[in-house]
Amino acid sequence: DAGITQSPRHKVTETGTPVTLRCHQTENHRYMYWYRQDPGHGLRLIHYSYGVKDTDKGEVSDGYSVSRSKTEDFLLTLESATSSQTSVYFCAIKFEGDNYGYTFGSGTRLTVV
Amino acid sequence: DQQVKQNSPSLSVQEGRISILNCDYTNSMFDYFLWYKKYPAEGPTFLISISSIKDKNEDGRFTVFLNKSAKHLSLHIVPSQPGDSAVYFCAAFFSGSARQLTFGSGTQLTVLP
Repeated sequence: DAGITQSPRHKVTETGTPVTLRCHQTENHRYMYWYRQDPGHGLRLIHYSYGVKDTDKGEVSDGYSVSRSKTEDFLLTLESATSSQTSVYFCAIKFEGDNYGYTFGSGTRLTVV
Repeated sequence: DQQVKQNSPSLSVQEGRISILNCDYTNSMFDYFLWYKKYPAEGPTFLISISSIKDKNEDGRFTVFLNKSAKHLSLHIVPSQPGDSAVYFCAAFFSGSARQLTFGSGTQLTVLP
């Protein structure tokens, strides 16, 4: 689907453990984003990247870090998972030169127990 | 403070009739507005968009209307079909940013056969 994949698709982890989610794109897009979806909140931006090693915080960045060492990969790390981070996480890429072309991955459902 | 609001969590309409989904925003800097559709266990998919220099954009059965003075936009689906049943998210961004989207909380549309 437009060259964007997320892994894993599902994960259950214990409170206090670190977790890394991966977003991989095959089309060399500059902008990549991590969102979380929660009932009643829609999608909220966690972090985004505008190039290799160029990242910035979004609305709900506390407890999360990101890395982008290669154009194609954008990693989201929960440093010490908490139950409030149980959510569905979506990665998105933006087509440059196009104001409307955001493509989302299929999501990762994370449960913290 | 939610900058993009969808005040109706759900909407049911009969097949063949018009569906009208509403969205309000508070940030005057937003100059692009988008609608996304989301099915369960899938990522959001882009539906239609409008820039702030227009007040209407049409694509097949979907039309988006923008009222800048009221900071309000709406999505019209005519005629509604059962396959349109999904969660619809309104989103916005301003072109001076890194194009990160701000989403509303979503409206679950159910089209009854």
